Amino acid sequence: NAGVTQTPKFRILKIGQSMTLQCTQDMNHNYMYWYRQDPGMGLKLIYYSVGAGITDKGEVPNGYNVSRSTTEDFPLRLELAAPSQTSVYFCASSYTNPGELFFGEGSRLTVL
Amino acid sequence: RKEVEQDPGPFNVPEGATVAFNCTYSNSASQSFFWYRQDCRKEPKLLMSVYSSGNEDGRFTAQLNRASQYISLLIRDSKLSDSATYLCVVNLPGSARQLTFGSGTQLTVLP
Repeated sequence: NAGVTQTPKFRILKIGQSMTLQCTQDMNHNYMYWYRQDPGMGLKLIYYSVGAGITDKGEVPNGYNVSRSTTEDFPLRLELAAPSQTSVYFCASSYTNPGELFFGEGSRLTVL
Repeated sequence: RKEVEQDPGPFNVPEGATVAFNCTYSNSASQSFFWYRQDCRKEPKLLMSVYSSGNEDGRFTAQLNRASQYISLLIRDSKLSDSATYLCVVNLPGSARQLTFGSGTQLTVLP
């Protein structure tokens, strides 16, 4: 079972570059989330979606954008990367809210 | 005051020991509570939900104290494989954005 798949696992960006983190889930979950985790900190919610075509901001949305064109995919777009966006990014999905979150393996992003 | 607070540890305990973690939350309207486990450089995974009546899963016991606004996790007969960071998660009703993670408590079980 694939579950939640994130790509890439690692990426180094230069300041000002843009990129997209991909996230796909095969569990037919309506709810999907993007979190970032900084060292020694809890996960912070960036954006979430309650279903295809619906997205909303989380706690730390600045500098990011998302789209949800299908139930399976929830890509996260970083525009004009900044060093403050160096972090580990986790995509997650859940069948209900609240409910068990299923996380991808994470994407480690470094902005230099 | 942080919305969800945990003692970061580290807790270093010998194999076979009993260890307990607490997590306090600031919003009395919080309704759902969870413990997640995160291994080093891995994704978090659900360990257990926390119910009002308390719940037990093998060596793990979770309890909720609404009056004092904290949840606890008790691990009995610690195993080396229990070494991980334990994340407290609290959910407010009505919105996915209100799922709040604590910063985690690091546990190392020593041989």
